[in-house]
Amino acid sequence: AQSVTQLDSQVPVFEEAPVELRCNYSSSVSVYLFWYVQYPNQGLQLLLKYLSGSTLVESINGFEAEFNKSQTSFHLRKPSVHISDTAEYFCAVSEGTNAGKSTFGDGTTLTVKP
Amino acid sequence: DTGVSQNPRHKITKRGQNVTFRCDPISEHNRLYWYRQTLGQGPEFLTYFQNEAQLEKSRLLSDRFSAERPKGSFSTLEIQRTEQGDSAMYLCASSQQGGAKNIQYFGAGTRLSVL
Repeated sequence: AQSVTQLDSQVPVFEEAPVELRCNYSSSVSVYLFWYVQYPNQGLQLLLKYLSGSTLVESINGFEAEFNKSQTSFHLRKPSVHISDTAEYFCAVSEGTNAGKSTFGDGTTLTVKP
Repeated sequence: DTGVSQNPRHKITKRGQNVTFRCDPISEHNRLYWYRQTLGQGPEFLTYFQNEAQLEKSRLLSDRFSAERPKGSFSTLEIQRTEQGDSAMYLCASSQQGGAKNIQYFGAGTRLSVL
């Protein structure tokens, strides 16, 4: 069985400040890792993914996440946030050996204040 | 590619009524997933299809829930005798087997309110 823990339910930050959203997972097999963003009344949008290769992955809008196998973590970071980054962020894990379901964390609400 | 489409976007029903939701996946995707999301929680897996075959069902999917994907294209999720606890956002996602390793693309969801 796999599980995902998002360590912070809410993260308030000021605009242009750096932010880190923490995610830890557990799984007995190799995994694929994902971050999704959800705006109010919308579905989930894929933000970035780790499948294999380089442990540091980046999105087109300045977010990055680093896969740390020894610490079973996949924290999301951005060096300077914007008001428009205000949203719910979900970390998810999918077993590498079974391309079926994903298991999600409970989400982190990022609120960027002016 | 028009993305994953879900209908209706909102559904309000009375307890005890049956409801049906539809999901149209991305056309070339052969895998289709249903998730349920309640307030303050992440999506929880319900079931998934590969083509028309239902390959896995969660224990969350009680006997009142049934999902179909008759021709391997669109899917329906039916809830019979709805209960207030069924109120949630129902999300559909699709992916391509053998594609970029289970990247799931989500629809906007159907929000169910049971009164």
